[in-house]
Amino acid sequence: QQQVKQSPQSLIVQKGGISIINCAYENTAFDYFPWYQQFPGKGPALLIAIRPDVSEKKEGRFTISFNKSAKQFSLHIMDSQPGDSATYFCAANQAGTALIFGKGTTLSVSS
Amino acid sequence: DAGVIQSPRHEVTEMGQEVTLRCKPISGHNSLFWYRQTMMRGLELLIYFNNNVPIDDSGMPEDRFSAKMPNASFSTLKIQPSEPRDSAVYFCASSPDGSYEQYFGPGTRLTVT
Repeated sequence: QQQVKQSPQSLIVQKGGISIINCAYENTAFDYFPWYQQFPGKGPALLIAIRPDVSEKKEGRFTISFNKSAKQFSLHIMDSQPGDSATYFCAANQAGTALIFGKGTTLSVSS
Repeated sequence: DAGVIQSPRHEVTEMGQEVTLRCKPISGHNSLFWYRQTMMRGLELLIYFNNNVPIDDSGMPEDRFSAKMPNASFSTLKIQPSEPRDSAVYFCASSPDGSYEQYFGPGTRLTVT
């Protein structure tokens, strides 16, 4: 049973555009929703995370939007740059437990 | 801070051989996680430890896989005997006690021929 569903599988965006990746979760006990960025040959790196008590969190060009009633959250990358080209994973968990990951989205930002 | 350290970075072995992957978590982190990444299944938990004690090993595929954490600064994941379907990238991650944040190592790419 896939507890975190991520879409799209791949995304191509022009430089300067907005990249949007969506995730949906099933387990209402989850209370932490991070996004990880992974470059080829590297480990996933924590990008930004949100708790369910807020609906939005922004860090620089990266924003998480969270809809608790719909059990959905999304990552928005503003002014996308070629250096943002990577694979992005959403995840969810409860305190002290392992992360449940989405299947990933490969983002390509064309210059 | 050196981050999570994993070794080896690459391992190529023949089917039936024993493989040992190693991980050094970030100093002071109490939780350690082993994940496996494949194209088909994505990132999946194998096992995690808290204060050196295994808490959840529900992701360990079968008895061929075993993991230990003899002290707070070292963990191993062993596969014996290895099979081609074990080919994947294995990641170790660590987390401070009480924190949600997990920090990943660079991974070990395992190829079993």
